[in-house]
Amino acid sequence: GNSVTQMEGPVTLSEEAFLTINCTYTATGYPSLFWYVQYPGEGLQLLLKATKADDKGSNKGFEATYRKETTSFHLEKGSVQVSDSAVYFCALIPNDYKLSFGAGTTVTVRA
Amino acid sequence: NAGVTQTPKFQVLKTGQSMTLQCAQDMNHNSMYWYRQDPGMGLRLIYYSASEGTTDKGEVPNGYNVSRLNKREFSLRLESAAPSQTSVYFCASSEADILAYYGYTFGSGTRLTVV
Repeated sequence: GNSVTQMEGPVTLSEEAFLTINCTYTATGYPSLFWYVQYPGEGLQLLLKATKADDKGSNKGFEATYRKETTSFHLEKGSVQVSDSAVYFCALIPNDYKLSFGAGTTVTVRA
Repeated sequence: NAGVTQTPKFQVLKTGQSMTLQCAQDMNHNSMYWYRQDPGMGLRLIYYSASEGTTDKGEVPNGYNVSRLNKREFSLRLESAAPSQTSVYFCASSEADILAYYGYTFGSGTRLTVV
């Protein structure tokens, strides 16, 4: 079946630190891959996406590269801010129309 | 602003009570979804509606019913609430043609507590 595994949190960082959240997936075919972000008290927002192998998605200083050979889509940011404190979800769409989500990783950035 | 609107934002129920969570989208999307979010478990699909007039079960449908009232609205009903249904509920919508590029649009959630 289709599934997403992302690193467990919580992750606590200092401002300006480097952030990486690992995400690996299992899927048939060629899924599209997404990262969603959920700020406290809010719904999920699309952060970035990649639709084919070797694509790099980027937004708000975050990046993730679709690696088919390692079935991974790790999220990175070079210098985090307090405002990046949120829950991050990795997700995929296989060949139907339902997203499969990872369990979410809570990130807290301290000033 | 275009998007997905959920009501209510907060609700407390007693065990055995019933209620309906409302969801409406104004993006003319065909597909709509209900998820629940629980700590450490991510988002789990309860029900979805691929298009107006159709509904299907997701991973965790027991204890819930849904109605796709029209293209805009997709409601979730708890007939007899249980403490295990304490959760945050999210509605989402999408369009099949653009799903792979834009994913879902989510509502802001309903925080439900069953005591």
